[in-house]
Formats: sequence, C-alpha cells, structure tokens
Amino acid sequence: EPEVTQTPSHQVTQMGQEVILRCVPISNHLYFYWYRQILGQKVEFLVSFYNNEISEKSEIFDDQFSVERPDGSNFTLKIRSTKLEDSAMYFCATPAANEKLFFGSGTQLSVL
Amino acid sequence: KQEVTQIPAALSVPEGENLVLNCSFTDSAIYNLQWFRQDPGKGLTSLLLIQSSQREQTSGRLNASLDKSSGRSTLYIAASQPGDSATYLCAVRGGERGGADGLTFGKGTHLIIQP
Repeated sequence: EPEVTQTPSHQVTQMGQEVILRCVPISNHLYFYWYRQILGQKVEFLVSFYNNEISEKSEIFDDQFSVERPDGSNFTLKIRSTKLEDSAMYFCATPAANEKLFFGSGTQLSVL
Repeated sequence: KQEVTQIPAALSVPEGENLVLNCSFTDSAIYNLQWFRQDPGKGLTSLLLIQSSQREQTSGRLNASLDKSSGRSTLYIAASQPGDSATYLCAVRGGERGGADGLTFGKGTHLIIQP
C-alpha cells in the first residue's frame, strides 16, 4: 500500500498571501490527486496529475491554483492569492495497483 | 453532473448490531465505487472498491454491494463495534476516462456505535 505524507499539517495565512502545500509519496508513483474538504461539506476533487502533467481539473481549480512536481519526488499545490473561502482541509492522494485511493492525513489551511 | 447522496446522514446504534449504510448516484455510467472511512481530523481510509462490472466486495465484517443500473450501493457492517464509529463516505469515479477522473463524494454517514 502506498503511503502519502503531507506537510505542513496546519497552515495559517493572511488573505492574499501565497501558500504551498506539499505531498511526499513513500513509493514511486506517477498519479496524484488533490482534494479539499471545507468544514462540514463534501470532499471535492481539485486536480489529477499524471506523469508530470495535469490530467484533469475541476471547476474549482482556477488560475489561483497550480500543481507541480519540482524535484521528481515532492508534489505541491500552490494557491497564489488566498481567499477566505480557501480555508479547508487539503488532501493529497495516490492510487494503489488495485485502484484504491490512498489519502494523506491532510493540511488544514486557515485563511484569516 | 454526477451527484452522490448518502442516507442516513447520521446513525447511532448499540454495539453488536448489524447495520446498512446507503449511497445513491445519479449517473450510472461509473468506472468504480469506493467506500471510505474518515475519522475526525484525519484523512480518508479506503475500505472497499467495487468495479462497475462487479456486484459486491467483502472485507472482514464489511460487505459492499453495487447495483449500477439503479444507481445504488450499500455498505453492510456486521456485528458493529465501538471502533467502527466514524464517518463513512461513498465516492464514484466516472466512466469516460477511467483512472483520470476525480472521485465524486457523498456527504457521508456519521456513525456512532454505543458501547
């Protein structure tokens, strides 16, 4: 089973600031996903990333968001200018060989 | 647009009871369906995955069924234990591009097992 580590576990930022959330898979994976969960709401798909390219993105994933794999290992989600409504738990996920999706423990982002 | 609904939103039962959680989805053209468990403040743990061609999957005390044509899935938990207390989420993956599609989640069933 793949393991996914996310850093930081909590991030507090001021509105308008840039944040970078990080995801580190333990094993070598090509497929990554970012999801978010606003408090009390459904888990929502943001973007899928395959072989260093965006495979699919949701309508939530606008120009304020970007993803990259800067060093071939870490996988990052950047929010350029945070808004209050970006406050949420952000999850990184990667599939196992049996297609089950394995999630990291998440980064709780609070925008003040 | 795919919509996933889970009923009930919350459930509280005494330890030892068997229980059923329900999930329905509006677009039957799915690739697979997964049931997840989420503990407070934690990530999601995949419990069972059912491919669109399958009818059910079992793991220990858990059994998930899928009726794709009617857009329904159930998660059956046998002999419930206090450690089963969590939120259970149902999620479907669209059928058009298989592994590239993001999951569409339901809001979950918050389950409490009373000791």
